[in-house]
Amino acid sequence: GAVVSQHPSWVICKSGTSVKIECRSLDFQATTMFWYRQFPKQSLMLMATSNEGSKATYEQGVEKDKFLINHASLTLSTLTVTSAHPEDSSFYICSAPHRHTEAFFGQGTRLTVV
Amino acid sequence: GIQVEQSPPDLILQEGANSTLRCNFSDSVNNLQWFHQNPWGQLINLFYIPSGTKQNGRLSATTVATERYSLLYISSSQTTDSGVYFCALSPGDNYGQNFVFGPGTRLSVLP
Repeated sequence: GAVVSQHPSWVICKSGTSVKIECRSLDFQATTMFWYRQFPKQSLMLMATSNEGSKATYEQGVEKDKFLINHASLTLSTLTVTSAHPEDSSFYICSAPHRHTEAFFGQGTRLTVV
Repeated sequence: GIQVEQSPPDLILQEGANSTLRCNFSDSVNNLQWFHQNPWGQLINLFYIPSGTKQNGRLSATTVATERYSLLYISSSQTTDSGVYFCALSPGDNYGQNFVFGPGTRLSVLP
């Protein structure tokens, strides 16, 4: 199957700092990518849709100024958590659809804000 | 929006046993996938199955789109099958493939 790579796998940062997470489609182009968040023992919830060449769209309740998304190219989307706080600690995972059919997910990033 | 239910929420099996996991959804879909989330959080693609039946080794899946449910069968379960199984789907009017995930089934396979 297609490969989506996410980096870093885990990160610990101090409260008030910013963290950037990268999501790359390695062997296909993705004009759209998706970012999800998962809290412990819960399911995955869509945060935002990353669109190459245009602004990201955010789900209701997701602060666009806190979670900055940039779709820099057809193979790269980044999520920056700005001024992180302990309540932002979570598992973040990206996905990209392959040929408008099956979606593939990155490995996920476990963010801990201390 | 579309509602997704999974059952059972938790399942404990002895190694070698068979199981059936169910996913019910409330509206038409254009994409349905089953995933296994391993202990490190990674989502492993099991099946892309908006309709029909597929098999891959000890796993098989069936989606009956007209009746709005999908089933995942695990035969001869192994301890490595432990983890959380999610069904995820894109509603029928959305070809963007931003998924709605079910709550998951947490499977524990005991040696």
